[in-house]
Amino acid sequence: AQKITQTQPGMFVQEKEAVTLDCTYDTSDQSYGLFWYKQPSSGEMIFLIYQGSYDEQNATEGRYSLNFQKARKSANLVISASQLGDSAMYFCAMRMNSGYSTLTFGKGTMLLVSP
Amino acid sequence: GAGVSQSPSNKVTEKGKDVELRCDPISGHTALYWYRQSLGQGLEFLIYFQGNSAPDKSGLPSDRFSAERTGGSVSTLTIQRTQQEDSAVYLCASSAVGTGASIFYGYTFGSGTRLTVV
Repeated sequence: AQKITQTQPGMFVQEKEAVTLDCTYDTSDQSYGLFWYKQPSSGEMIFLIYQGSYDEQNATEGRYSLNFQKARKSANLVISASQLGDSAMYFCAMRMNSGYSTLTFGKGTMLLVSP
Repeated sequence: GAGVSQSPSNKVTEKGKDVELRCDPISGHTALYWYRQSLGQGLEFLIYFQGNSAPDKSGLPSDRFSAERTGGSVSTLTIQRTQQEDSAVYLCASSAVGTGASIFYGYTFGSGTRLTVV
């Protein structure tokens, strides 16, 4: 069974600074995908970025990048130039590339961006 | 529809009553998922539908919980004899496909149903 660990319950960052949200995972599968979602206070889950286990380059989507270190089984999210609107819960998730697979989520990290 | 629609958005019910939560996925999405999110917690998987069948319902916490999907579209999650510990936000998501070959297909989530059992 797969497991996602997010060790930071909360993070604080000042506007315009970069922040890294940690995520480690545990799986015996070789083929899988890693996802990050944002959940603002309104409650909706917003897909941010995806990294495939065989992708050689780190994924980037605008201000979001995923620092993927396969040997360490880590998939940290880096947000550059933080904005006030980035304040939200952030969830790391994983899905196997085998059979009928579902997303397994970590417990999340609450990010607060201050002016 | 344009997005995943869930109803009701809020439900307050008395302990012991039955409730039904509805999810209308994106048109054409064959895979549908139910998750539960308790206050301040991550998302707990409940059940997964591919078409009208449920290959994985391992996350249903007890036999008070059941779900069905009809016509490969709308799904209903039913909780019988609700308990206070059932209070949570119930999130539904859909994706274009669910099998492993299409791993990139991330989920589109609905806004959830906030269930409060009093």
